[in-house]
Amino acid sequence: AQSVTQLDSHVSVSEGTPVLLRCNYSSSYSPSLFWYVQHPNKGLQLLLKYTSAATLVKGINGFEAEFKKSETSFHLTKPSAHMSDAAEYFCVVTPTGFQKLVFGTGTRLLVSP
Amino acid sequence: DGGITQSPKYLFRKEGQNVTLSCEQNLNHDAMYWYRQDPGQGLRLIYYSQIVNDFQKGDIAEGYSVSREKKESFPLTVTSAQKNPTAFYLCASMGLGGITDTQYFGPGTRLTVL
Repeated sequence: AQSVTQLDSHVSVSEGTPVLLRCNYSSSYSPSLFWYVQHPNKGLQLLLKYTSAATLVKGINGFEAEFKKSETSFHLTKPSAHMSDAAEYFCVVTPTGFQKLVFGTGTRLLVSP
Repeated sequence: DGGITQSPKYLFRKEGQNVTLSCEQNLNHDAMYWYRQDPGQGLRLIYYSQIVNDFQKGDIAEGYSVSREKKESFPLTVTSAQKNPTAFYLCASMGLGGITDTQYFGPGTRLTVL
Protein backbone atom coordinates (compact mmCIF):
# COMPACT_ATOMS: atom_id res chain seq x y z
CA ALA A 1 0.00 0.00 0.00
CA GLN A 2 1.07 3.56 -0.65
CA SER A 3 0.80 6.53 1.68
CA VAL A 4 2.13 10.04 1.98
CA THR A 5 2.73 12.14 5.10
CA GLN A 6 3.25 15.86 4.82
CA LEU A 7 4.88 16.76 8.10
CA ASP A 8 3.68 20.37 8.35
CA SER A 9 0.15 21.63 7.75
CA HIS A 10 1.40 25.25 7.60
CA VAL A 11 4.81 26.78 6.89
CA SER A 12 5.50 30.50 7.24
CA VAL A 13 8.51 32.21 5.67
CA SER A 14 9.58 35.73 4.84
CA GLU A 15 10.06 36.80 1.26
CA GLY A 16 13.60 36.07 0.12
CA THR A 17 14.23 33.28 2.66
CA PRO A 18 14.49 29.55 1.85
CA VAL A 19 11.48 27.27 1.67
CA LEU A 20 11.38 23.66 2.93
CA LEU A 21 8.21 21.57 2.67
CA ARG A 22 8.62 18.07 4.05
CA CYS A 23 7.15 14.86 2.68
CA ASN A 24 7.64 11.23 3.70
CA TYR A 25 6.20 8.37 1.70
CA SER A 26 5.52 4.68 2.01
CA SER A 27 5.31 2.45 -1.03
CA SER A 28 5.46 -1.27 -1.64
CA TYR A 29 6.72 -0.68 -5.15
CA SER A 30 9.24 1.57 -6.79
CA PRO A 31 7.33 4.84 -6.58
CA SER A 32 6.76 7.83 -8.74
CA LEU A 33 6.55 11.00 -6.67
CA PHE A 34 5.07 14.37 -7.50
CA TRP A 35 4.65 17.82 -6.03
CA TYR A 36 1.62 19.84 -7.08
CA VAL A 37 0.74 23.43 -6.17
CA GLN A 38 -2.77 24.81 -5.76
CA HIS A 39 -3.63 28.50 -5.55
CA PRO A 40 -6.97 29.42 -3.92
CA ASN A 41 -10.01 28.12 -5.82
CA LYS A 42 -7.82 26.83 -8.65
CA GLY A 43 -6.89 23.44 -10.00
CA LEU A 44 -3.60 21.71 -9.27
CA GLN A 45 -0.46 22.52 -11.23
CA LEU A 46 2.43 20.10 -11.50
CA LEU A 47 5.65 21.48 -9.98
CA LEU A 48 7.91 18.49 -10.52
CA LYS A 49 8.01 14.70 -10.61
CA TYR A 50 10.44 11.89 -9.79
CA THR A 51 10.32 8.67 -11.80
CA SER A 52 13.55 6.81 -10.88
CA ALA A 53 15.90 8.89 -12.98
CA ALA A 54 18.04 11.54 -11.22
CA THR A 55 17.34 11.77 -7.49
CA LEU A 56 17.51 15.59 -7.53
CA VAL A 57 14.56 16.84 -9.53
CA LYS A 58 14.22 20.40 -10.74
CA GLY A 59 10.80 21.86 -11.33
CA ILE A 60 9.14 25.08 -12.33
CA ASN A 61 9.47 28.44 -10.57
CA GLY A 62 12.81 27.54 -8.97
CA PHE A 63 11.55 24.61 -6.91
CA GLU A 64 13.43 21.35 -6.57
CA ALA A 65 13.08 18.12 -4.61
CA GLU A 66 15.44 15.32 -3.64
CA PHE A 67 14.40 11.68 -3.54
CA LYS A 68 16.06 9.91 -0.58
CA LYS A 69 15.20 6.23 -0.58
CA SER A 70 16.99 5.51 2.72
CA GLU A 71 14.90 8.16 4.46
CA THR A 72 11.73 7.59 2.35
CA SER A 73 11.55 11.33 1.87
CA PHE A 74 10.86 13.70 -0.99
CA HIS A 75 11.21 17.20 0.48
CA LEU A 76 10.47 20.28 -1.64
CA THR A 77 12.84 23.26 -1.47
CA LYS A 78 13.33 26.69 -2.96
CA PRO A 79 16.31 28.97 -2.19
CA SER A 80 14.35 32.21 -2.03
CA ALA A 81 10.61 32.57 -1.47
CA HIS A 82 8.50 34.97 -3.50
CA MET A 83 5.12 36.37 -2.52
CA SER A 84 3.56 34.50 -5.46
CA ASP A 85 4.66 31.18 -3.91
CA ALA A 86 1.95 31.48 -1.25
CA ALA A 87 -0.32 28.51 -1.97
CA GLU A 88 -1.09 24.95 -0.91
CA TYR A 89 1.36 22.24 -1.86
CA PHE A 90 0.57 18.54 -2.21
CA CYS A 91 3.00 15.65 -2.19
CA VAL A 92 1.72 12.69 -4.20
CA VAL A 93 2.88 9.08 -4.63
CA THR A 94 1.98 6.36 -7.09
CA PRO A 95 3.64 3.04 -7.88
CA THR A 96 5.48 3.48 -11.13
CA GLY A 97 3.30 2.34 -14.01
CA PHE A 98 0.03 2.63 -12.07
CA GLN A 99 -2.48 5.39 -12.58
CA LYS A 100 -3.98 5.96 -9.14
CA LEU A 101 -2.49 8.82 -7.14
CA VAL A 102 -2.29 8.98 -3.35
CA PHE A 103 -2.30 12.54 -2.00
CA GLY A 104 -0.89 13.98 1.17
CA THR A 105 -3.10 16.33 3.18
CA GLY A 106 -1.28 19.41 1.93
CA THR A 107 1.00 22.10 3.33
CA ARG A 108 -0.10 25.71 3.21
CA LEU A 109 2.83 28.03 2.52
CA LEU A 110 2.49 31.58 3.85
CA VAL A 111 4.94 34.22 2.61
CA SER A 112 5.23 37.52 4.45
CA PRO A 113 6.84 40.71 3.10
CA ASP B 1 -5.36 25.94 -26.30
CA GLY B 2 -4.96 22.40 -25.05
CA GLY B 3 -6.29 21.61 -21.63
CA ILE B 4 -9.07 20.53 -19.34
CA THR B 5 -12.22 22.56 -18.82
CA GLN B 6 -14.74 22.17 -16.03
CA SER B 7 -18.12 23.82 -15.81
CA PRO B 8 -19.69 25.48 -14.06
CA LYS B 9 -17.13 27.10 -11.79
CA TYR B 10 -19.70 27.49 -8.99
CA LEU B 11 -22.81 25.37 -8.53
CA PHE B 12 -25.57 25.58 -5.97
CA ARG B 13 -27.91 22.71 -5.29
CA LYS B 14 -30.95 22.24 -3.15
CA GLU B 15 -31.12 19.15 -1.00
CA GLY B 16 -32.66 16.22 -2.86
CA GLN B 17 -31.55 17.37 -6.31
CA ASN B 18 -29.16 15.64 -8.65
CA VAL B 19 -26.57 17.83 -10.37
CA THR B 20 -24.09 17.09 -13.13
CA LEU B 21 -20.58 18.53 -13.32
CA SER B 22 -18.94 18.76 -16.72
CA CYS B 23 -15.35 17.84 -17.58
CA GLU B 24 -13.92 18.09 -21.07
CA GLN B 25 -10.35 17.59 -22.30
CA ASN B 26 -8.71 18.15 -25.68
CA LEU B 27 -5.39 16.56 -24.79
CA ASN B 28 -6.30 13.23 -26.42
CA HIS B 29 -5.77 11.54 -23.05
CA ASP B 30 -7.11 8.06 -22.48
CA ALA B 31 -7.67 8.24 -18.73
CA MET B 32 -9.86 10.65 -16.82
CA TYR B 33 -10.45 11.08 -13.07
CA TRP B 34 -12.77 12.80 -10.62
CA TYR B 35 -11.57 13.90 -7.19
CA ARG B 36 -13.24 15.54 -4.25
CA GLN B 37 -11.40 18.05 -2.07
CA ASP B 38 -12.50 19.09 1.41
CA PRO B 39 -10.78 21.74 3.56
CA GLY B 40 -7.65 20.45 5.26
CA GLN B 41 -7.70 17.19 3.37
CA GLY B 42 -5.96 15.88 0.34
CA LEU B 43 -7.82 14.86 -2.79
CA ARG B 44 -9.91 11.72 -2.67
CA LEU B 45 -10.67 9.69 -5.79
CA ILE B 46 -14.34 9.30 -6.71
CA TYR B 47 -14.27 7.54 -10.10
CA TYR B 48 -11.81 6.99 -12.92
CA SER B 49 -11.96 5.78 -16.49
CA GLN B 50 -9.15 4.42 -18.64
CA ILE B 51 -11.16 3.86 -21.80
CA VAL B 52 -14.45 4.89 -23.37
CA ASN B 53 -17.51 3.08 -22.00
CA ASP B 54 -15.61 1.77 -18.99
CA PHE B 55 -15.01 3.23 -15.54
CA GLN B 56 -14.08 2.10 -12.03
CA LYS B 57 -15.04 3.21 -8.55
CA GLY B 58 -12.50 5.08 -6.52
CA ASP B 59 -12.31 5.38 -2.77
CA ILE B 60 -15.52 7.39 -2.22
CA ALA B 61 -17.90 6.49 -5.07
CA GLU B 62 -21.10 6.21 -3.00
CA GLY B 63 -23.66 8.84 -4.02
CA TYR B 64 -21.92 9.62 -7.32
CA SER B 65 -22.27 8.34 -10.89
CA VAL B 66 -20.29 8.88 -14.10
CA SER B 67 -20.39 8.08 -17.79
CA ARG B 68 -17.70 7.94 -20.48
CA GLU B 69 -19.43 7.97 -23.86
CA LYS B 70 -16.70 10.01 -25.54
CA LYS B 71 -12.96 10.10 -25.02
CA GLU B 72 -13.04 13.86 -24.42
CA SER B 73 -15.82 13.93 -21.83
CA PHE B 74 -16.28 12.49 -18.33
CA PRO B 75 -19.29 14.05 -16.57
CA LEU B 76 -19.93 13.47 -12.87
CA THR B 77 -23.43 13.35 -11.38
CA VAL B 78 -23.82 14.07 -7.70
CA THR B 79 -27.00 12.31 -6.66
CA SER B 80 -29.34 12.99 -3.77
CA ALA B 81 -27.87 9.90 -2.12
CA GLN B 82 -24.63 11.78 -1.45
CA LYS B 83 -25.15 12.97 2.13
CA ASN B 84 -22.51 15.68 2.26
CA PRO B 85 -21.86 16.91 -1.28
CA THR B 86 -20.57 20.41 -0.50
CA ALA B 87 -16.96 20.33 -1.69
CA PHE B 88 -14.53 21.35 -4.42
CA TYR B 89 -14.53 18.87 -7.32
CA LEU B 90 -11.52 18.42 -9.56
CA CYS B 91 -11.28 16.56 -12.84
CA ALA B 92 -7.98 15.26 -14.21
CA SER B 93 -6.74 13.42 -17.27
CA MET B 94 -3.65 11.45 -18.21
CA GLY B 95 -2.22 9.80 -21.27
CA LEU B 96 -1.43 6.10 -20.87
CA GLY B 97 1.43 4.01 -22.07
CA GLY B 98 4.53 5.29 -20.30
CA ILE B 99 6.03 5.17 -16.83
CA THR B 100 6.33 8.92 -16.65
CA ASP B 101 2.63 9.62 -17.15
CA THR B 102 1.32 12.66 -15.33
CA GLN B 103 -2.16 13.70 -14.34
CA TYR B 104 -3.24 17.18 -15.42
CA PHE B 105 -6.01 18.96 -13.57
CA GLY B 106 -8.88 21.20 -14.54
CA PRO B 107 -9.75 24.42 -12.66
CA GLY B 108 -12.42 22.78 -10.48
CA THR B 109 -16.10 23.21 -9.65
CA ARG B 110 -17.21 24.36 -6.21
CA LEU B 111 -20.52 22.74 -5.27
CA THR B 112 -22.58 24.13 -2.42
CA VAL B 113 -25.74 22.53 -1.09
CA LEU B 114 -28.26 25.06 0.18
